[in-house]
Amino acid sequence: RKEVEQDPGPFNVPEGATVAFNCTYSNSASQSFFWYRQDCRKEPKLLMSVYSSGNEDGRFTAQLNRASQYISLLIRDSKLSDSATYLCVVNTGRRALTFGSGTRLQVQP
Amino acid sequence: DTGVSQDPRHKITKRGQNVTFRCDPISEHNRLYWYRQTLGQGPEFLTYFQNEAQLEKSRLLSDRFSAERPKGSFSTLEIQRTEQGDSAMYLCASSGSPYQETQYFGPGTRLLVL
Repeated sequence: RKEVEQDPGPFNVPEGATVAFNCTYSNSASQSFFWYRQDCRKEPKLLMSVYSSGNEDGRFTAQLNRASQYISLLIRDSKLSDSATYLCVVNTGRRALTFGSGTRLQVQP
Repeated sequence: DTGVSQDPRHKITKRGQNVTFRCDPISEHNRLYWYRQTLGQGPEFLTYFQNEAQLEKSRLLSDRFSAERPKGSFSTLEIQRTEQGDSAMYLCASSGSPYQETQYFGPGTRLLVL
């Protein structure tokens, strides 16, 4: 079983739609949680950290459920520019990050 | 440009050849990481430096791989006797103080082994 599991998608949604991605992690000792965004053939870039209380950054909302070992990302009012792969990322307290395989989003006009 | 830089951006080599990649982290960052990413997968951790000390290595880092960070600034990753399975994107990342966990990634070196 992978340490971080994501639905690979693709999620094909129209502009303006709301879309949600989920992720589960297996290591209950995980301490930090992130969503990274990766455009095709580019490097991953931090989208947002995920806190236990949930957090929001503009159109993006991230939630963490430690009891269920579950992380989510909600994107409201999708834009064409949101098309990318979204990587769920966990840090167990070691220095290395553990990445999921990513969920691909395609926003269509 | 004050971000993480990597060189070369692309490398094509024949099986059995040695290759070396370079990473220049953000200047004030003392932590440096190497990851490998294959198609359809997320990045996988290879190794980590704090200053010049290599503190952690993944089991993915076989004996053919070696990484150095001699002066605590730039780092090199060498792959000896390359195999077709080494074809991947090699990503370098850096991070700053112990209280700043965010890792900033370079553009990567895309390796193709023929």
